[in-house]
Amino acid sequence: DVKVTQSSRYLVKRTGEKVFLECVQDMDHENMFWYRQDPGLGLRLIYFSYDVKMKEKGDIPEGYSVSREKKERFSLILESASTNQTSMYLCASGPQWEPNNEQFFGPGTRLTVL
Amino acid sequence: QKEVEQNSGPLSVPEGAIASLNCTYSDRGSQSFFWYRQYSGKSPELIMFIYSNGDKEDGRFTAQLNKASQYVSLLIRDSQPSDSATYLCAVVTGFQKLVFGTGTRLLVSP
Repeated sequence: DVKVTQSSRYLVKRTGEKVFLECVQDMDHENMFWYRQDPGLGLRLIYFSYDVKMKEKGDIPEGYSVSREKKERFSLILESASTNQTSMYLCASGPQWEPNNEQFFGPGTRLTVL
Repeated sequence: QKEVEQNSGPLSVPEGAIASLNCTYSDRGSQSFFWYRQYSGKSPELIMFIYSNGDKEDGRFTAQLNKASQYVSLLIRDSQPSDSATYLCAVVTGFQKLVFGTGTRLLVSP
């Protein structure tokens, strides 16, 4: 069974804090992704990585950065948290073979920025 | 125009009925299509993927793809209250990225 884990289920931070969200997968997947999910807006891609030390911007990268030093771990960093970054953050991983680029999701981190 | 469009619902069906969920997409070059189910407060889980025109069946679920008309649908036969969830359509675009629709909420009443 594929397992994607995220470091926290719930997180409360203050405006201006630096926030780290960690994601670990155990299936040796090349691809890893960070999304945020907001009511009415669906899942939006923040960043993704298709290899160690590689990263690509998604649709909404502003205010975020990522790090992938090891294949199994993909971190999302909020450099200076703001209230509009209050959201559900979902990590996913997936293999690189075509045509099935299925993504497996972690349980999510609900982040509240006060 | 959004890349992937779904009716937000809710779609209400009685137990035992067929639920039909629809999705349209804008990128004609898209090759692979996914249906995810998401229960409230949980993360999405894959139900099916399809990449050939026509129907693909898996138990009570059937995915239908029509690339000429750029739509993909999911049929759920013999709907159960436990099928009540939000169903997300996703399309592979670019380099192995998924673009998600905003989801259709399905309510199955006993």
